[in-house]
Amino acid sequence: GAVVSQHPSWVICKSGTSVKIECRSLDFQATTMFWYRQFPKQSLMLMATSNEGSKATYEQGVEKDKFLINHASLTLSTLTVTSAHPEDSSFYICSASPGQGTDTQYFGPGTRLTVL
Amino acid sequence: QKEVEQDPGPLSVPEGAIVSLNCTYSNSAFQYFMWYRQYSRKGPELLMYTYSSGNKEDGRFTAQVDKSSKYISLFIRDSQPSDSATYLCAMRGSWGAQKLVFGQGTRLTINP
Repeated sequence: GAVVSQHPSWVICKSGTSVKIECRSLDFQATTMFWYRQFPKQSLMLMATSNEGSKATYEQGVEKDKFLINHASLTLSTLTVTSAHPEDSSFYICSASPGQGTDTQYFGPGTRLTVL
Repeated sequence: QKEVEQDPGPLSVPEGAIVSLNCTYSNSAFQYFMWYRQYSRKGPELLMYTYSSGNKEDGRFTAQVDKSSKYISLFIRDSQPSDSATYLCAMRGSWGAQKLVFGQGTRLTINP
């Protein structure tokens, strides 16, 4: 149980284009989803927290107009990187928390984004 | 100073050895402590979850928390090549304050 999937697992795009990454909780409803970014050999940095039906809360230094987060249902959150540039190339990981008595976060497998 | 410090390694030990992984932290408000295992190009997998000070054991894994020293450890007994991964410590404040702060991760290799 507690499986989180991400799609795509990797994506290559041209500079200036937008990329959408999906995060799904497959066997539970996620009241809260989180988006992280991880550079090579570095730790996970929280980008934003989203609750279903609410606007995402972004961490300091994260551009909300560049990284659009939508949490439209209890099983799906999307991260759209708008007008991507090479410096946006990174490993993006989502996590989901069921809430309701547990605060554990379950992580997805990650999406590797390469912007040419 | 980072809120959570973790030696990035790499750490290489022979199969069967006892492995000790550690993190220190500066925020005394942290109460919940976790260890995650991350294989290359995969998402983190929760290994251990502890609250406040004390020990917790699960199979070959033991997590220790010393809040007075702001120091947490993960011990792996009878280490196996399949334990080779990056181990991340993570922590947060009160229950419901769900923002996790991660350490840098320690890359561990178990040599057959």
